[in-house]
Formats: sequence, C-alpha cells, structure tokens
Amino acid sequence: GENVEQHPSTLSVQEGDSAVIKCTYSDSASNYFPWYKQELGKRPQLIIDIRSNVGEKKDQRIAVTLNKTAKHFSLHITETQPEDSAVYFCAASLTGANNLFFGTGTRLTVIP
Amino acid sequence: EAQVTQNPRYLITVTGKKLTVTCSQNMNHEYMSWYRQDPGLGLRQIYYSMNVEVTDKGDVPEGYKVSRKEKRNFPLILESPSPNQTSLYFCASRMGTVANYGYTFGSGTRLTVV
Repeated sequence: GENVEQHPSTLSVQEGDSAVIKCTYSDSASNYFPWYKQELGKRPQLIIDIRSNVGEKKDQRIAVTLNKTAKHFSLHITETQPEDSAVYFCAASLTGANNLFFGTGTRLTVIP
Repeated sequence: EAQVTQNPRYLITVTGKKLTVTCSQNMNHEYMSWYRQDPGLGLRQIYYSMNVEVTDKGDVPEGYKVSRKEKRNFPLILESPSPNQTSLYFCASRMGTVANYGYTFGSGTRLTVV
C-alpha cells in the first residue's frame, strides 16, 4: 500500500511568520492529497486538498503545492496566528482506491 | 446539521469486558471507517465499509469487529479489550466509494482499558 511520510513532527514559529510542512508518498499512482487540522481535543477537519491534475491550490493564508515528479506535497501557512496552533496531518490516496493513507502528523505551535 | 456522531466520548473499562462504540452519520454516505490515533503513529485504519453489509480490514484490525447493517450506523466492537487498545478512536465517513473526497470525522472516543 501507500506510504506517507511527514516532516517535521514538531514545528514552532513566531506569530506572523510562515510555516511549511512537507509530505512524501511512495506510489506514483496516488492522485488525491488532503490536509487535516486537529486542534487540541477535537476531531481532524479537512482544511485543503489537491488533486494530481494541479500543482498548487490556495485558500486565503493556506496553500498546498504538489510535485508529482518528486512525489512530495507541502502545506504552506502564511502570516501565522495563534489559532493556527494544532496538529496537521497530510494524506494520500491511490487512483480508484478505497482508503486514505495518513502521515504521522506535525504539531505546529505559533508563539504570540 | 451534517455530522458524524460517536458515543461515548470517554470510556474506561477493564480487560476482557466487551464494549461497543457507536457511530452514526446523517449524510447518506456510502463509506465509513474507524481509525485509532496514538502518539507518534498518526491515524491508523482499523476497518472500513463501502456500503451496507460490505466491510473490510484496514491496517490494524486485530482485536476489533465491525458491522454495517444500516447505511447510517457503523459500530466498533471490542469483544475482549486489552490494555494495548487504549487509544483515541475516530469514526469517519465520506461520500462515494473512492478516496478522493474529504472525510468527515466524529468527535472521537477516548478509550482506556485497565
């Protein structure tokens, strides 16, 4: 099956700085890459996703980039705010497959 | 409101005592799944279901059972819980039978087995 690796496992940034979280995947057939945010004590929630027919997608302060050749995708958060503090999970799915494969998560702390 | 409802939120039990965690969704989703979340390991899939009466094993199915008798419900059953099943459990659902749609997660069940 697919193997998704996520780095770093923890990340601390000053408020207003940018944060970047990177994921790699193993199967070149993967075509869907969502990102989930999990605040402390809460459920994971989808924040942005990208499909393999595009290289970048933006939604206000968050963006995701995809490099199919290198098999990696990244989450970029600009102008970070304390409410961005959470655990972020990347995931990938294979074409026509049933299941999402999750990375191990990145704990982001935004320091006021 | 579209949602996935899990119960209970917290559960402490003793080794060997059968328990069931319920999961219900009101979005008419075909696909439902159970995950466990452990520190440093992320979200690992236990079981999933593509539709009524169709279930299959995920990555860590040992010690768990599921059933899908109705489209909206997907209970997780631990016949004989052990301490290594202490974890945070999430139920999730999505529309469609292929993975390129976003999941909706339940609010989680924190299980402690002593």
